[in-house]
Amino acid sequence: GAGVSQSPSNKVTEKGKDVELRCDPISGHTALYWYRQRLGQGLEFLIYFQGNSAPDKSGLPSDRFSAERTGESVSTLTIQRTQQEDSAVYLCASSLARRPGPTNEKLFFGSGTQLSVL
Amino acid sequence: KQEVTQIPAALSVPEGENLVLNCSFTDSAIYNLQWFRQDPGKGLTSLLLIQSSQREQTSGRLNASLDKSSGRSTLYIAASQPGDSATYLCAAQNYGGATNKLIFGTGTLLAVQP
Repeated sequence: GAGVSQSPSNKVTEKGKDVELRCDPISGHTALYWYRQRLGQGLEFLIYFQGNSAPDKSGLPSDRFSAERTGESVSTLTIQRTQQEDSAVYLCASSLARRPGPTNEKLFFGSGTQLSVL
Repeated sequence: KQEVTQIPAALSVPEGENLVLNCSFTDSAIYNLQWFRQDPGKGLTSLLLIQSSQREQTSGRLNASLDKSSGRSTLYIAASQPGDSATYLCAAQNYGGATNKLIFGTGTLLAVQP
């Protein structure tokens, strides 16, 4: 596609339910990132995928959070037993970075999924 | 641990004014410093990326500078326009490790009044 696509754009769920967020990166982008943005705060790194390398999961806040990526395509972020503190905008980004480690390749962000946990 | 701070948190200026947004970071061993723009309900758009070996980058009316020794970056916007109204975020990428995650500041909300 022309850009990074995320779905759904909005998700309202009840506390304790599981949710799954989807990200379609730009075709050919091997690097994919998930960030979280709570209201009034900066972006918080969650997880990074690079090709076939082991993902960097260092930003996942708890074991209720997990993410998968199939090859160099779609990624899903799953939050189990959602809590009210999980309410945030979840942003996905991709880049042309071809190997792990620092890169000067620009990031392209999707419009995010607004998650509201009641 | 890298920490990124942006001042001011919000700024309102009349159209046509030149303005400066500030970004500071605690760990000077950065690989690059990036500036993004975020419009309401939308994702981030990359504006400028300054590599660690560079002092500044320019794109149109935007100029970003980097001073690693003092841990500071500035984004200069010339002849501001109402369409420049948005939240501006800076982010640092550090050396080391197998990741290239960015550490973001909390942003400056800019309003340009017509």
